[in-house]
Amino acid sequence: EDQVTQSPEALRLQEGESSSLNCSYTVSGLRGLFWYRQDPGKGPEFLFTLYSAGEEKEKERLKATLTKKESFLHITAPKPEDSATYLCAVQAGQGGSEKLVFGKGTKLTVNP
Amino acid sequence: DAGITQSPRHKVTETGTPVTLRCHQTENHRYMYWYRQDPGHGLRLIHYSYGVKDTDKGEVSDGYSVSRSKTEDFLLTLESATSSQTSVYFCAIKGTGGASPLHFGNGTRLTVT
Repeated sequence: EDQVTQSPEALRLQEGESSSLNCSYTVSGLRGLFWYRQDPGKGPEFLFTLYSAGEEKEKERLKATLTKKESFLHITAPKPEDSATYLCAVQAGQGGSEKLVFGKGTKLTVNP
Repeated sequence: DAGITQSPRHKVTETGTPVTLRCHQTENHRYMYWYRQDPGHGLRLIHYSYGVKDTDKGEVSDGYSVSRSKTEDFLLTLESATSSQTSVYFCAIKGTGGASPLHFGNGTRLTVT
């Protein structure tokens, strides 16, 4: 069974204090790993897709990396507006499934 | 915005009543999904559709049915609502096959009393 585990569940940072969120996964043939941001009362907003180990993607203060077992979302010098819940999801390759499995998310709070 | 509209945005209903949630897209995407999101469980797939009249079950499909008679509309029906179905429901769409991301609507908050 495909599984996604995110850690920590919650993270509090001071503005400018860099850190990383973790997403570990077990899946039968990874087709893609996705990162989303979710603000309260809204749907998840797509950030990145990673396809293979060693790949990296960047957007403003966020950088996502991927290994064969886990992905990290690095947040450099965060600002209060980066506060949100960050979700990770995987799409398995076996059987050509079009389903995504999500982790439970990491709630990030950045204090000014 | 990914061109997804969910309706209603909020609904309160009584146990045992039928409820239908609607998802409408303007992107002409092939794949459409219904997820529920609950504290401690994250997003869980209820049903998805891979074309008009083509649907499949997700991990939490019991008590739910879906229909897709047009590319742009995907309906989720609770035949007889229960309190355990109180949740936030999200519709998502995906274009091509392969590892392309889902794009989500802003959700429907359903309360079953």
